[in-house]
Amino acid sequence: GAVVSQHPSRVICKSGTSVKIECRSLDFQATTMFWYRQFPKQSLMLMATSNEGSKATYEQGVEKDKFLINHASLTLSTLTVTSAHPEDSSFYICSALGDGYNEQFFGPGTRLTVL
Amino acid sequence: SQQGEEDPQALSIQEGENATMNCSYKTSINNLQWYRQNSGRGLVHLILIRSNEREKHSGRLRVTLDTSKKSSSLLITASRAADTASYFCATFTTDSWGKLQFGAGTQVVVTP
Repeated sequence: GAVVSQHPSRVICKSGTSVKIECRSLDFQATTMFWYRQFPKQSLMLMATSNEGSKATYEQGVEKDKFLINHASLTLSTLTVTSAHPEDSSFYICSALGDGYNEQFFGPGTRLTVL
Repeated sequence: SQQGEEDPQALSIQEGENATMNCSYKTSINNLQWYRQNSGRGLVHLILIRSNEREKHSGRLRVTLDTSKKSSSLLITASRAADTASYFCATFTTDSWGKLQFGAGTQVVVTP
């Protein structure tokens, strides 16, 4: 099956710094990728849809200036959490949409801890 | 926003028993998918059932879909300790541009 990787798997940063998370589709091209966040014992909440070569579409309530998304190639999308605060600590998961447009392939997730 | 609701929220069973969890959703769908997530890990795709299908099997998994009731169930037969995980349903609609709407999830604990 299609493989999606995320890097880093874990990151700890100080409050006020920015953190970049990469999402790569390893064996297929993905024009559309999605970014989710997940708090402990909760479900995945969609943050934004990342489209290659265009601006990301953010879900209601998600600050686009805080969560910068760049999808510069067909295999890479990045999420940058700017000026991170402890409340941004979460599990961030990306997914890539397959060719059939009816299945998403998920990355292993990135655990962000902001001190 | 969450489209689906799952019940139960938590399920604790013994090895060898069957585990059943349910998912309800609100809008018409193209397909419904079930995922497993081990603690602190990514999602593993288990099974996809299309709106024109009523039942699907994959190994020890059995999924049903009732579009008239807008509900689905996931049955894990002869559960194992390794089945301990959270299970999520997710719905896909043709006008959602590929987005999935996730249910709240069911935490399953299988004790040896």
